[in-house]
Amino acid sequence: SYVLTQPPSVSVAPGRTANVTCGGHNIANKRVHWYQQKPGQAPVLVIFYDNYRPSGIPERFSGSNSGNTATLTVSGVEAGDEAVYFCQVWDNSADSYVFGSGTKVTVL
Amino acid sequence: QLQLQESGPGLVKPSETLSLTCTVSGDSISSSTYNWGWIRQPPGEGPEWIGSVHESGRTYYNPSLKSRATISLDTSKNQFSLKLSSVTAADTAVYFCARDRGGSYSYFDSWGQGTLVTVSS
Repeated sequence: SYVLTQPPSVSVAPGRTANVTCGGHNIANKRVHWYQQKPGQAPVLVIFYDNYRPSGIPERFSGSNSGNTATLTVSGVEAGDEAVYFCQVWDNSADSYVFGSGTKVTVL
Repeated sequence: QLQLQESGPGLVKPSETLSLTCTVSGDSISSSTYNWGWIRQPPGEGPEWIGSVHESGRTYYNPSLKSRATISLDTSKNQFSLKLSSVTAADTAVYFCARDRGGSYSYFDSWGQGTLVTVSS
């Protein structure tokens, strides 16, 4: 089955840029979606189809996808961005959705 | 505004069947072009997709859970349900229902708050 690999944690100072990676074999051939999950809350979609933002998501959130790595970028990080971020794709070979294990973004 | 709310027992005994219902408001599951899905998240882990159902009643399941999971619609109540049989402690998780955009390369654009289900005797 298809595996998505994320770093367990990323730390960033307020106002700086956080990059969260999601690795997968030829992931550029898939469409990657990103979710933000704060403690005790449901995940919220922040990026879909690699780099599209749902209504209400700040422009500070962006995405890219190339080769074997997709990246979620949060620019001008704020304290409220502290959360766990998951990536997700559709695995054609298994006909199944796959999620990454998540990256905790800590705002210093 | 779309809202989803999970309901069901918070404690299930090993070997029994877990049953959860998701009540949808703000959209009709019988006229929607979307799928409706169940996802679970064990404590401290990433989410795991269980399965989804289309308004036609067609279902799609995670191969690893297909033998134990059943998802169905109740269009008269605008609800959809999950049954997971022969549960073990490994099925302890927060269970979410969500709207599945469907089609290739799809994603979940709206989630319920989730409900914790513990499997224990």
